[in-house]
Amino acid sequence: ETGVTQTPRHLVMGMTNKKSLKCEQHLGHNAMYWYKQSAKKPLELMFVYNFKEQTENNSVPSRFSPECPNSSHLFLHLHTLQPEDSALYLCASSQEGTTQYFGPGTRLTVL
Amino acid sequence: QKEVEQDPGPLSVPEGAIVSLNCTYSNSAFQYFMWYRQYSRKGPELLMYTYSSGNKEDGRFTAQVDKSSKYISLFIRDSQPSDSATYLCAMSANDYKLSFGAGTTVTVRA
Repeated sequence: ETGVTQTPRHLVMGMTNKKSLKCEQHLGHNAMYWYKQSAKKPLELMFVYNFKEQTENNSVPSRFSPECPNSSHLFLHLHTLQPEDSALYLCASSQEGTTQYFGPGTRLTVL
Repeated sequence: QKEVEQDPGPLSVPEGAIVSLNCTYSNSAFQYFMWYRQYSRKGPELLMYTYSSGNKEDGRFTAQVDKSSKYISLFIRDSQPSDSATYLCAMSANDYKLSFGAGTTVTVRA
């Protein structure tokens, strides 16, 4: 596998479920990001991890819980989501700042 | 006012035409400017990266930055059906935090 991978690619969950999204980067980068992409809206930055430490939490509701066990892996734990949380969730990584490389995303549908 | 404004289109052009895309922004601290291409059901892919003002060319793609006008452009020459995608502009000040436009959807008709 090369680049940034994400699993699962598609996820359908009920409002009471708990699920997790996984991201793995194979680029040797030290920063990882979670974004939310909704139709016709700009990408919204959710969380940033730099050397496994969270450096940004962009006022994200607590029903989204990130985890970064090492610089190659990033998780997004989901619980009691709302239908408006349905979106494409993108993971990205970078080495020292601005050039970010994205994974293919997880298409999340909350029923 | 949004920090980055991008016309969502859609934009439809015949094969071989020049595609012209642009974004305006309000934050004068932005120094790094990027264009990403996103195919349907895929993540964004970095196309062009420019620091400060000026032009950058890569094959059929040319990126222009005019910081005095807070305006950036992407031109695609000799467009191909494979260029059909959504194009996102992104920009940043001195750090990792990117501000994105909403994206312009482009269709190149064969």
